[in-house]
Amino acid sequence: KAGVTQTPRYLIKTRGQQVTLSCSPISGHRSVSWYQQTPGQGLQFLFEYFSETQRNKGNFPGRFSGRQFSNSRSEMNVSTLELGDSALYLCASSLMLAGKETQYFGPGTRLLVL
Amino acid sequence: GDSVTQMEGPVTLSEEAFLTINCTYTATGYPSLFWYVQYPGEGLQLLLKATKADDKGSNKGFEATYRKETTSFHLEKGSVQVSDSAVYFCALSASNTGNQFYFGTGTSLTVIP
Repeated sequence: KAGVTQTPRYLIKTRGQQVTLSCSPISGHRSVSWYQQTPGQGLQFLFEYFSETQRNKGNFPGRFSGRQFSNSRSEMNVSTLELGDSALYLCASSLMLAGKETQYFGPGTRLLVL
Repeated sequence: GDSVTQMEGPVTLSEEAFLTINCTYTATGYPSLFWYVQYPGEGLQLLLKATKADDKGSNKGFEATYRKETTSFHLEKGSVQVSDSAVYFCALSASNTGNQFYFGTGTSLTVIP
């Protein structure tokens, strides 16, 4: 079974631009979560989607948004990019038959904001 | 709120040495506990997990026991190899209605021959 895939793997943008990242979960997985990883802040939870609905949200500004499609694929959007948004963005999926299930991570999208 | 406190790194060991990486947690309810490993340039891979008190997770020679009385989930390996060099993350998930994970800050391990 194919793992979690994320596209693109690398991205360079300039301040003020916007960016959309994509995540395809493992087949059959219905929950998709997004994380931001930086050397200074570590892994920080952005949001979780389940059945096209945002179920949990971390403490990030409204510039960070996401959505999930009926096939469970998810996109994350960051508008008005700032230098501090440079990070590795990780997507994780899980089956969600019940709570507290294992999350399986993709390789990440490395975003550099200049 | 829920949180994970993980041993600060970096940790440098010689090959075949014993490894312990400490992890303690704070959670409401009864969390599931996880150890993930991240190799350079890659995403996180599940190393092992435990879903209830006294469970022992194990994989590739690594072990961790879910200790409710000490709220701990320390990672151990009896004999590390150079290929174990990576960053290790302790994590918990406590919600029954969602799947939000809380991660520790990560511990970088370097094993030298």
